Parts: sequence; structure tokens; C-alpha cells
Amino acid sequence: DVKVTQSSRYLVKRTGEKVFLECVQDMDHENMFWYRQDPGLGLRLIYFSYDVKMKEKGDIPEGYSVSREKKERFSLILESASTNQTSMYLCASRGRPQEKLFFGSGTQLSVL
Amino acid sequence: QKEVEQNSGPLSVPEGAIASLNCTYSDRGSQSFFWYRQYSGKSPELIMSIYSNGDKEDGRFTAQLNKASQYVSLLIRDSQPSDSATYLCAVNWVWDDYKLSFGAGTTVTVRA
Repeated sequence: DVKVTQSSRYLVKRTGEKVFLECVQDMDHENMFWYRQDPGLGLRLIYFSYDVKMKEKGDIPEGYSVSREKKERFSLILESASTNQTSMYLCASRGRPQEKLFFGSGTQLSVL
Repeated sequence: QKEVEQNSGPLSVPEGAIASLNCTYSDRGSQSFFWYRQYSGKSPELIMSIYSNGDKEDGRFTAQLNKASQYVSLLIRDSQPSDSATYLCAVNWVWDDYKLSFGAGTTVTVRA
């Protein structure tokens, strides 16, 4: 069974902290994505990666960075967390463009 | 910025009725379109994909695509309480094949 695993379901951090959100997929997928989801705004793309060490900005990359050192792992980094980054973060992966996304279970991040 | 717009909800329908969901997109050349369903507190899951003009049926779900009008819709026939969820439209942009953008979603409630 395919699996996208996010390291934490709930996370509480303080303003200014550096935050790491980890995502691992076991499907040998090339493409991996980080979205955030806020009420009324749907899923907004933060960053995506189409290969190891390759990354592209999505629609809202400000305040975030990513790392993909291995094919199965895609990390989202908040260099200095702010309260407006409180959100649900969803990681996803897929094999090729045009194929369906497989989502992780999400991380609800609260920045106080 | 490329956009995906969905009709605002929430949409309330009686059990057994047809629920009709609409989505428009800004990039005329887009090729791939997806409908995801998201239950409260859960991750999105794919229910339909459509690539060609016309209708595509899968059980009680029918997706309709009109590329000339830049319009994709989802019909849910014989709506059941278990169909109560948020439905997200997603579009693959033609010049940016890796990038999948989502609409804000339409919340459907099926009344028993």
C-alpha cells in the first residue's frame, strides 16, 4: 500500500523558532510537494521538487525553504516561524506529471 | 498568477438529489483536471480525473470538461450523507507540468 508519512500530526512552536516538517514517501516518486491549507483558501502550493536536490517555488514560498537530499524525503523549513504560518501543512507525492497526488495525513502547526 | 475558481458554498442538497459543483480555470492550454474529496480532518483523496472534452462517469460521479469555456464540473447523483465533504478542483498547468493548483473547495452537505 502506498504511503506518504509526515513526521508530526500536531506541532506547537514559538515565534522565531526554526521549524522542520518532514515527509517521507515509499513509492519511489519523482515529484514531491508541500501545500498549506487554510479555511476558505484551499490548498496553496509552497514548494515542489521534481528530483533529488531540485526544487521550484510554488505560489507562496516566502518564509519557507525546502530540502531534498534523498528521493524519498522532502523537508519543509520555516527559518523563523511567525504566527501567520499557523496552518495545516500537507505533503504529497506523485510519480509523473499528470498523475494523481498521494497525500500525507497533514501536520497542524500552531505558532504562538 | 494562474487561478482555479470554484463556486462558493456551502452547498446543501437532500439525500437522493444531484449535487452540481463547478470549477473554472485561467490557463486555456491546461490538459489535466482532477476532483479531490476531503472529509473534515482528513487529507484529500482523488475521486475523478479527466483529460478530454466531454463527460466521464464513475459510479455516481460524473466529471464534465469544456476546454473552450475553461470549465470543469462534477455531478454527484443520488447523493448520500457519506458524500458530505469538501470537494477540491485541481488543474495541471500546461506550461508548468509539475505544478498542480487547487481551488478553494466547495463544501457539500447532504441532508438525510
